Amino acid sequence: DAGVIQSPRHEVTEMGQEVTLRCKPISGHNSLFWYRQTMMRGLELLIYFNNNVPIDDSGMPEDRFSAKMPNASFSTLKIQPSEPRDSAVYFCASSNNLAGGLYEQYFGPGTRLTVT
Amino acid sequence: LAKTTQPISMDSYEGQEVNITCSHNNIATNDYITWYQQFPSQGPRFIIQGYKTKVTNEVASLFIPADRKSSTLSLPRVSLSDTAVYYCLVGDSGAGSYQLTFGKGTKLSVIP
Repeated sequence: DAGVIQSPRHEVTEMGQEVTLRCKPISGHNSLFWYRQTMMRGLELLIYFNNNVPIDDSGMPEDRFSAKMPNASFSTLKIQPSEPRDSAVYFCASSNNLAGGLYEQYFGPGTRLTVT
Repeated sequence: LAKTTQPISMDSYEGQEVNITCSHNNIATNDYITWYQQFPSQGPRFIIQGYKTKVTNEVASLFIPADRKSSTLSLPRVSLSDTAVYYCLVGDSGAGSYQLTFGKGTKLSVIP
């Protein structure tokens, strides 16, 4: 298995631009998570999908952030417009929440976003 | 939401056993305890999960006392490659709810 795939690995953009991060979860996993990690705030959960349905988006910082999961093999996290304070590493993770496996999450390599 | 407290950092020499303890005084009946490892520039990696007593796998052991208010991750005979940040998480794995928060973690430095 290729594991969780994220693209791009690095993104540098100017303030005000739209940014789209992509994630392909592990095949067969039914839960998907988007996290953000910074030195100041650590690892924060942004949104959690179960069977392609958003379950908890309370971690999404504001309306500039949106996430979609149109099918079981693809998810996007969009920031529009981007701001310098959005600079962080964004991780996507997936798991199979059957049989108590919700917290055995498999993380992707992350996307390092820099907004100038 | 159960909160966790763990040491900010620990140092150990190669070959020693390392025990990292996490406190979770407000753990709920349905909560599981999960540990992750994160290397620089990588996503966290699942290490081990348990509910009570002792769990062991090829990487580590997890000790959970009867009151479940704490847990200890035990890494046998650490090597330099075990230098990483270790996170203790507590949450309810019941379907329909999701409360899982990564804290600051414990930065383990293994010294040659």
